[in-house]
Amino acid sequence: EAAVTQSPRNKVAVTGGKVTLSCNQTNNHNNMYWYRQDTGHGLRLIHYSYGAGSTEKGDIPDGYKASRPSQENFSLILELATPSQTSVYFCASGGWGGSSAETLYFGSGTRLTVL
Amino acid sequence: GEQVEQLPSILRVQEGSSASINCTYENSASNYFPWYKQEPGENPKLIIDIRSNMERKQTQGLIVLLDKKAKRFSLHITDTQPGDSAMYFCGEYSGGSNAKLTFGKGTKLSVKS
Repeated sequence: EAAVTQSPRNKVAVTGGKVTLSCNQTNNHNNMYWYRQDTGHGLRLIHYSYGAGSTEKGDIPDGYKASRPSQENFSLILELATPSQTSVYFCASGGWGGSSAETLYFGSGTRLTVL
Repeated sequence: GEQVEQLPSILRVQEGSSASINCTYENSASNYFPWYKQEPGENPKLIIDIRSNMERKQTQGLIVLLDKKAKRFSLHITDTQPGDSAMYFCGEYSGGSNAKLTFGKGTKLSVKS
């Protein structure tokens, strides 16, 4: 079973503060993703990466940065957190499965509240 | 704008009946369409997928149909059980140099016994 670990599981931050969400995968997958989940919006892609040293903008990158220092680790950084960034954040790694297409393995999520 | 439209957003069915969720997409180059199930408090997990060279795929009470001309695909759950109650997300994968997986907004399925 693919393993993706997110930390912290819960985080309360103040407006204007810096927040770093961390993700570690032991699947040796090249691709990693950050999504946020909000009621009525589903899963929206923030940033993703094809490998160490690469980051790409997803569909809603504004207000977020990403860092992929190694194959295993992918961080999401909120330099100046705002209440609108209160959400549940999921990290995922992507591996090529039997259907020759990418299967995403999600972490358990981080619940972020910005006050 | 939204790249994958998913309907309905809420679906309530009686145990034993079937449930259908529909998704439409815009990118004709999209070649892979997965479905993920998310149970309350859990993370999303892949349940079935279909590639663009197929029109139909079936596994364990799940059927996926793909109509490339209409840019439409659908998930059909036969003989629903209370354990099928969950959020369901359709996905679209475009591949190529900017490959990424985009999800629909989700369908909350409730199966009443």
